[in-house]
Amino acid sequence: NAGVTQTPKFQVLKTGQSMTLQCAQDMNHEYMSWYRQDPGMGLRLIHYSVGAGITDQGEVPNGYNVSRSTTEDFPLRLLSAAPSQTSVYFCASSSILAHEQFFGPGTRLTVL
Amino acid sequence: DAKTTQPPSMDCAEGRAANLPCNHSTISGNEYVYWYRQIHSQGPQYIIHGLKNNETNEMASLIITEDRKSSTLILPHATLRDTAVYYCIVRGTQGGSEKLVFGKGTKLTVNP
Repeated sequence: NAGVTQTPKFQVLKTGQSMTLQCAQDMNHEYMSWYRQDPGMGLRLIHYSVGAGITDQGEVPNGYNVSRSTTEDFPLRLLSAAPSQTSVYFCASSSILAHEQFFGPGTRLTVL
Repeated sequence: DAKTTQPPSMDCAEGRAANLPCNHSTISGNEYVYWYRQIHSQGPQYIIHGLKNNETNEMASLIITEDRKSSTLILPHATLRDTAVYYCIVRGTQGGSEKLVFGKGTKLTVNP
């Protein structure tokens, strides 16, 4: 049971490049979400999903796309990276009826 | 916006109890109080949650005032590994489908 895994751990992009941050969980959780954390700040919700085929926007969705084709995977796509997207990105998952959310180790992204 | 207020930082001596306060004066009747912590930029880790009654688990105790407008997380015997940012969050009763709103938390430093 690996829990929530994220790849890559680190990534450097140039402005305008696109990339996908991967998130997977092996706990059969319905709920998955993406957060970003900027220095000295708490986490802010980007997008979330309550099940395969269902996604919704969080607090800061602009510049990011998501899809949920399987229960296990919830990739986050940056279509045209901007320096303002330099941040640490965390993926989380939980059972719909549970109180505890499980977080991945994070992806540290730098956009030059 | 976060619905909670926490002190930005606290210190505690190793082996002593750490008492972390949280104000949530606008909490609704169906909202739980959750505590998470984040150790050195790792993914946040669930600690405990409660609705009205005091709660205890292997990590900590949660004391909620009778009017539910404030709570205290207690780490009974703090160790150096408890140095982290602690987040107090209020959230509805829908389990994992309700998004977590993180504030800036309390930076707890446990000193030798």
